[in-house]
Amino acid sequence: NAGVTQTPKFQVLKTGQSMTLQCAQDMNHEYMSWYRQDPGMGLRLIHYSVGAGITDQGEVPNGYNVSRSTTEDFPLRLLSAAPSQTSVYFCASSYDSPSVSYNSPLHFGNGTRLTVT
Amino acid sequence: GQQVMQIPQYQHVQEGEDFTTYCNSSTTLSNIQWYKQRPGGHPVFLIQLVKSGEVKKQKRLTFQFGEAKKNSSLHITATQTTDVGTYFCAGPLGAGGTSYGKLTFGQGTILTVHP
Repeated sequence: NAGVTQTPKFQVLKTGQSMTLQCAQDMNHEYMSWYRQDPGMGLRLIHYSVGAGITDQGEVPNGYNVSRSTTEDFPLRLLSAAPSQTSVYFCASSYDSPSVSYNSPLHFGNGTRLTVT
Repeated sequence: GQQVMQIPQYQHVQEGEDFTTYCNSSTTLSNIQWYKQRPGGHPVFLIQLVKSGEVKKQKRLTFQFGEAKKNSSLHITATQTTDVGTYFCAGPLGAGGTSYGKLTFGQGTILTVHP
């Protein structure tokens, strides 16, 4: 199994450009999510999905769109890139929790380092 | 809103010294997870704590969950150069227990180990 695969690894955009960050997982996980990592701020949730056709906003959703047409894929779209979106983006997946109090661990992709000039 | 605060932000130690990072939540957590991120890498799951007062060990790493389930700590005994990286705590984002893959992360502690 490849796990969680993210492409591209690096990307440079100019302000106003759009692009899609790809994420695919081959573990048949129901849950998928996108996080951004900025220095001193940990990882912040952008959008998440609990299954195909179901998505919802996280903590910092503005400027990003997602869709989940299949269980495997969860692309993140930047509609009009801004310098504030310069960050490292991680896609993660996890399986359905076996109980209310236990949460299955997140499996992260290798990340996409995005620079917006 | 729900917050998970983690201190210190940086820790520099000599190889062989101990290291501790602390995590505090503004609300009671149903569980807490710990992740390690090597430089240039991605976060990797270490452990999850669920019970009040729980203590778990992984070789030189000791994880604790507070009695009130609002704080947690990770202690590394006799650090090695392989321990270098950023350590994150994370709790479920939103009310209730099941997170559905949504976590709120602490800011992380960057550990540097000098040989």
